[in-house]
Amino acid sequence: AQKVTQAQTEISVVEKEDVTLDCVYETRDTTYYLFWYKQPPSGELVFLIRRNSFDEQNEISGRYSWNFQKSTSSFNFTITASQVVDSAVYFCALSPYMDSNYQLIWGAGTKLIIKP
Amino acid sequence: NAGVTQTPKFRILKIGQSMTLQCTQDMNHNYMYWYRQDPGMGLKLIYYSVGAGITDKGEVPNGYNVSRSTTEDFPLRLELAAPSQTSVYFCASSRGTSGAPGETQYFGPGTRLLVL
Repeated sequence: AQKVTQAQTEISVVEKEDVTLDCVYETRDTTYYLFWYKQPPSGELVFLIRRNSFDEQNEISGRYSWNFQKSTSSFNFTITASQVVDSAVYFCALSPYMDSNYQLIWGAGTKLIIKP
Repeated sequence: NAGVTQTPKFRILKIGQSMTLQCTQDMNHNYMYWYRQDPGMGLKLIYYSVGAGITDKGEVPNGYNVSRSTTEDFPLRLELAAPSQTSVYFCASSRGTSGAPGETQYFGPGTRLLVL
């Protein structure tokens, strides 16, 4: 089965705290791509990162970092020193290489609330 | 560049009415997609296109039709609207030059549709 699970429905933290959003995926393919998108309250979908299955290096971009572990089929997203503007729904998505019909397979999303 | 644009932003339809959701991209992308997002859920693929004149069904195509006469435009047609089609509709595009899945998809701002 091709599936993405984001078990955390909603997370609420106080500004400046660090927060990690979990993403666990299932796929038959050995080649695949993983994505994170942000959906702020305004509703648009903003691309954050794309990672292929052969690149297990962690990625850091400013306050954002991503931890990809093939052994546990996880691609977790950490926000360091969170800010109110980080409040959004965050989606993890999977694109299998061979069996996808080109679609992204989406998790249900994690709603992140950053309190001032 | 405007990226991916969608019109209208919001529409209310009566049961049985029909309408066309417009999508245009100015990035010269070959691939285009239509997704729907139901409340509290990730996105599901309705239709996709790998180039002008070529379209194919996604996961949830029933009740919808598409056409792709130009590279830029990918309209989605709803015939005989039903309450189950109440959703937010997103159009997306990707370069498509590699001919393979896994490319980053860039999304329009969405169309919120309410069928009463």
